[in-house]
Amino acid sequence: EPEVTQTPSHQVTQMGQEVILRCVPISNHLYFYWYRQILGQKVEFLVSFYNNEISEKSEIFDDQFSVERPDGSNFTLKIRSTKLEDSAMYFCASRGGLRNGRARYEQYFGPGTRLTVT
Amino acid sequence: AQTVTQSQPEMSVQEAETVTLSCTYDTSESNYYLFWYKQPPSRQMILVIRQEAYKQQNATENRFSVNFQKAAKSFSLKISDSQLGDTAMYFCAFMKLTSGSRLTFGEGTQLTVNP
Repeated sequence: EPEVTQTPSHQVTQMGQEVILRCVPISNHLYFYWYRQILGQKVEFLVSFYNNEISEKSEIFDDQFSVERPDGSNFTLKIRSTKLEDSAMYFCASRGGLRNGRARYEQYFGPGTRLTVT
Repeated sequence: AQTVTQSQPEMSVQEAETVTLSCTYDTSESNYYLFWYKQPPSRQMILVIRQEAYKQQNATENRFSVNFQKAAKSFSLKISDSQLGDTAMYFCAFMKLTSGSRLTFGEGTQLTVNP
């Protein structure tokens, strides 16, 4: 069964450094998402991406964050200058377009990247 | 803005018994989707079940079923014949049908299935 993959599984970085988190969505999916989950808290939406552009972003997704789909398979989240409070699990998710003429709304999540900022 | 509330931070159930997890939400939308996701200790987010708001029939997936009360804005998850592998954090999530279609999650309920 196709699945979303994410690399690395764990990233440790120093405050102020740039990090790039990578995701490979399910191959025929059209909509892509990043969420984050600070330890012990609920999952929070960061950004959605469709047709090579951001379709929605949350207030968390400020100028330090950017997303890119550099080729036909990868979807990346870049944090330009990491802060201590960026430490969290980052999840990528994807969903399909139409199946049998009906829109599909289920989002399938990757296993997450645990980001630790020291 | 939509909000999702899960009022039970923790629940426990004996193996083979039935348990119901509660979720309420607030929205002015008339058409939307609701989901339950399971997060085991591995922290992977696993889709359990979905419900389209325009459907009156409650969704079922094997041992998992929902009780969707649209007027009350309630969306509970029932797990029948609980198994040890059901031990996880369960998140209720709301999706408005917009171009972005973000998921808005509740705080989660930690379910423990005891042998």
